[in-house]
Amino acid sequence: DIQMTQSPSSLSASVGDRVTITCRASQSISRYLNWYQQKAGKAPKLLIYAASSLQSGVPSRFSGSGSGTDFTLTINSLQPEDLASYYCQQTRSPTWTFGQGTKVEVK
Amino acid sequence: EVQLVESGGGLVQPGGSLRLSCAASGFTFSDYSINWVRQAPGKGLEWVSYIDSGSGTIYYADSVKGRFTTSRDNAKNSLYLQMNSLRHEDTAVYYCARDASSGWSRFDYWGQGTLVTVSS
Repeated sequence: DIQMTQSPSSLSASVGDRVTITCRASQSISRYLNWYQQKAGKAPKLLIYAASSLQSGVPSRFSGSGSGTDFTLTINSLQPEDLASYYCQQTRSPTWTFGQGTKVEVK
Repeated sequence: EVQLVESGGGLVQPGGSLRLSCAASGFTFSDYSINWVRQAPGKGLEWVSYIDSGSGTIYYADSVKGRFTTSRDNAKNSLYLQMNSLRHEDTAVYYCARDASSGWSRFDYWGQGTLVTVSS
């Protein structure tokens, strides 16, 4: 199975900061990488698919990049409502795996 | 409006069985693959199972293979997860999630989840 490793596991940033979360795959997954946001007590929400495509309705301050094994989710100008956990997911192999998550706290 | 509504969760003893349902509305259910994803209390997301639109292809995570069975009834716009031989570690919120498919697999709509607790 393909393993996904996210870093950091948690971070704290101020409103307006630029936040970067990384995700590394244990083998090349091309661009088969999605990002989700999950707020406390809620279902996950799709943010980015195919490594860099913004899901409809998602604010443009969210962006994704990368290919192969290394990927990045960037939040430009962090907002209070971005308090959440963020998960990467590989869809290269038919046993989809998630990263362990990154918890983002807004100072 | 696309909606996925899970039901059937509850408290079950180790070794017991439970059947979850996911009722879909607001889209042509028979056109889409669907997944089950679970989340143990305080933990991350774990993909559990995938079923394609016609039930021709079904995948399971190793952690549930041989114990869980995914099925669907397109006439009833419903997805099911039959869980047998339940273990403490199966305790989690179980979500059904639509796969947008169309080239790039991605889970674009999720239900609100149903909690399964395995405990004596």
